Amino acid sequence: KQEVTQIPAALSVPEGENLVLNCSFTDSAIYNLQWFRQDPGKGLTSLLLIQSSQREQTSGRLNASLDKSSGRSTLYIAASQPGDSATYLCAVAGTNAGKSTFGDGTTLTVKP
Amino acid sequence: DAGVIQSPRHEVTEMGQEVTLRCKPISGHDYLFWYRQTMMRGLELLIYFNNNVPIDDSGMPEDRFSAKMPNASFSTLKIQPSEPRDSAVYFCASSPGAWEGETQYFGPGTRLLVL
Repeated sequence: KQEVTQIPAALSVPEGENLVLNCSFTDSAIYNLQWFRQDPGKGLTSLLLIQSSQREQTSGRLNASLDKSSGRSTLYIAASQPGDSATYLCAVAGTNAGKSTFGDGTTLTVKP
Repeated sequence: DAGVIQSPRHEVTEMGQEVTLRCKPISGHDYLFWYRQTMMRGLELLIYFNNNVPIDDSGMPEDRFSAKMPNASFSTLKIQPSEPRDSAVYFCASSPGAWEGETQYFGPGTRLLVL
């Protein structure tokens, strides 16, 4: 059974700082990995999706990397802004069923 | 497109009552997912459909839960009878993928409280 862990559970940084969020998974036989953002009381918004054959994806100030062999992914946020404050979740889709297993998320606070 | 639409946004009911949650996926999306989110268990996949057919319902907690997708533009998740431990936020998501696991688009969720 796939297990997805996100550490730390919470992170607070000053505005402008670069930061890295971590996601680890136990079964490296994955189809893809997706990073989501969730604002309080809202649904999830997809940020980046990395296929199993890819090493990284970039969108604006966000860069996600994938290392299947070590069961790890990172989400790099450059020049953080208060508007980046949210909970970030990673989701791993398995190859057999395709359904995603979600981590518990990292709650990020960017202080002005 | 308006995105994934869920109704109601909030539901408060008493234990033992039937609860029906509704979802309208994004037009043209082949996959529809129902999730439940709680502080204790995080985000859990309950069931998902492909072209209106249930593919995997192994996440449905028990027989009190049932889901249907009578057509490509509508799905329901029903709880009968409801219990306090069913209190959670229920999300519907849809995906355009020709294969499983492609980008999912989430609705705003239904916040359910069972007293």
